[in-house]
Amino acid sequence: DIQMTQSPSTLSASVGDRVTITCRTSQTISSWLAWYQQKPGKAPKLLISKASSLESGVPSRFSGSGSGTDFTLTISSLQPDDFATYYCQQYNSYSYTFGQGTKLEIK
Amino acid sequence: QLQLQESGPGLVKPSETLFLTCTVFGGPISSRGYYWAWIRQPPGKGLEWIGSIHYTANTFNNPSLKSRVTISVDTSKNQFSLKMRSLTAADTAVYYCARHRRQQLDDAFDVWGQGTMVTVTS
Repeated sequence: DIQMTQSPSTLSASVGDRVTITCRTSQTISSWLAWYQQKPGKAPKLLISKASSLESGVPSRFSGSGSGTDFTLTISSLQPDDFATYYCQQYNSYSYTFGQGTKLEIK
Repeated sequence: QLQLQESGPGLVKPSETLFLTCTVFGGPISSRGYYWAWIRQPPGKGLEWIGSIHYTANTFNNPSLKSRVTISVDTSKNQFSLKMRSLTAADTAVYYCARHRRQQLDDAFDVWGQGTMVTVTS
């Protein structure tokens, strides 16, 4: 099984900050990685697929990069609506796993 | 606009079987390039993929749950379902259904239901 390491687990930041969340996989997965945002009591929302492809309607301050085993989600200028938990998710050989999550908190 | 709605019991006894259904509104379940998935989230924890099914009934499941899980589809009702056997307290979670986009070089869960809480308790 592919192991995923998402970091940090918690991130404190202020409105306007640039933040980066990292996801590392134990085996190469090419660009088979997605990022999701989840707010309390709500279902996750797909932000980015194929490591860097922004979903329709997602603000351009969100961006994804990476391939192979190392991936990042960047929010260029935090807005109040962005404080949430973020998950990465990988696909490999008909198996899907999610990272442990990063809770983005207001500093 | 596509919407998914989970339905099923909120409480299940240990060792019993869970049945959940997801109804798809606003589009056909028999869409090319899409599977339909079940994903769960224990309280305060992360997400776990359970399995996915195509409208042709082709399925693949999480190996860690495979022996306890059956996913089926009913195209006439625009629904797909989850059956999970031999439940324990560890199966207590919010269960989500989701559209599973599987297209060339693209694979992600792009539309989600609101989720339904399932508690395993005697």
